[in-house]
Amino acid sequence: QLQLQESGPGLVKPSETLSLSCSVSGVASISRSTYAWGWIRQPPGKGLEWIGTIYYSGSTYYNPSLKSRVTISTDTSNNQISLTVNSLTAADTAVYYCARVREDDVVQVADTGAFDYWGQGTPVTVSS
Amino acid sequence: SSELTQPPSVSVSPGQTARITCSGGALPQQFANWYRHKPGQAPVLLIYKHTERPSGVPERFSGSTSGPTVTLTISGVQAEDEADYYCQSGDSSGIHVIFGGGTKLTVL
Repeated sequence: QLQLQESGPGLVKPSETLSLSCSVSGVASISRSTYAWGWIRQPPGKGLEWIGTIYYSGSTYYNPSLKSRVTISTDTSNNQISLTVNSLTAADTAVYYCARVREDDVVQVADTGAFDYWGQGTPVTVSS
Repeated sequence: SSELTQPPSVSVSPGQTARITCSGGALPQQFANWYRHKPGQAPVLLIYKHTERPSGVPERFSGSTSGPTVTLTISGVQAEDEADYYCQSGDSSGIHVIFGGGTKLTVL
């Protein structure tokens, strides 16, 4: 059974850089050619916001509103997906989720795909 | 358009049918997906590609399209269905993911 688990610092200061990790278990390799992984966040009292998606090929796509501050990468040796967000402000306070794109959606390349497995999320507060 | 529009709230009594609509973005050309999200839990995929239901999701959850609007229908609503529901799709580029603002379903 595929499982995702996010981890991170919990509290970061404004203007600093946030680094989060998502550990994937239940799969042999996260770089399999049918896999893509996304990061999504939810600020307090607000809805879900897509941050970006990384495909098995290494191709990345980001929310245009965050693109200048965000990087998603993979560590295939440890089956982890990483997210960095720089120049943090209070508006980046949120619960951050990692999720997998449905394999069939990755293979068919028809659209952005649906997220079928999600982590429990890790809360991040940006405050001095 | 880069936005998906959902009603902020829907209320139904137990046993009734709840319908949550979603419009905008590049619907219906881009597929719509639906999620249920309860506080403190991970979102759960309920419907993908407008109408398909993942294994394990009860049959009382269904998706449909009519013109530029997609709809999540929950038949025989139960108290446990009280949650936030989100539609998700792609923008006109087909590259960027967009989420609707969410609909809070209240079971009276």
